[in-house]
Amino acid sequence: RKEVEQDPGPFNVPEGATVAFNCTYSNSASQSFFWYRQDCRKEPKLLMSVYSSGNEDGRFTAQLNRASQYISLLIRDSKLSDSATYLCVVGGNNRKLIWGLGTSLAVNP
Amino acid sequence: GAVVSQHPSRVICKSGTSVKIECRSLDFQATTMFWYRQFPKQSLMLMATSNEGSKATYEQGVEKDKFLINHASLTLSTLTVTSAHPEDSSFYICSARGLAGGQETQYFGPGTRLLVL
Repeated sequence: RKEVEQDPGPFNVPEGATVAFNCTYSNSASQSFFWYRQDCRKEPKLLMSVYSSGNEDGRFTAQLNRASQYISLLIRDSKLSDSATYLCVVGGNNRKLIWGLGTSLAVNP
Repeated sequence: GAVVSQHPSRVICKSGTSVKIECRSLDFQATTMFWYRQFPKQSLMLMATSNEGSKATYEQGVEKDKFLINHASLTLSTLTVTSAHPEDSSFYICSARGLAGGQETQYFGPGTRLLVL
């Protein structure tokens, strides 16, 4: 089993749609969780950290379920500019980050 | 936010030559720098972790004699790909961790695309 698993997609959605990504992780001792965004041929950029209580940043909502060991990202009112690959990242108690393969999102006009 | 720069952004070299990639944290001191490699349609793979003034810690399967890492100061780390082969062609990304704005943060450089002919 991979340490961090994501559905690779692609997810094709129309503008304005709501889309959700899930990610599961295998190490129950993981301590930090993030969603990064990576555009084609660019470096990853931090989208948001994920906290146990859940957190929201504008159209983006991230949630963590420690019992089931999964993380989710919800994007509301999707824009064309949201088209990218979304990477789920999990950090252990050694602070090393483990990266998922990413979920590809294409928002269509 | 904090900025991490990488140089060069793109390099093409002949097989057998060595290539040096620089990673700099521009407005914060990076206590730790990470070097990643990403092949097309693959996830980021950590190659090595380096702390300023000490030897780098390499991940399993990464040859330390082939990928030389030097972290000489709190703002500069270099990765040298020695005797490059076509299979070393990849996207190399550095990441720097340190205190920026009073909070420990990790930022990525823009990456270096290496093509070995």
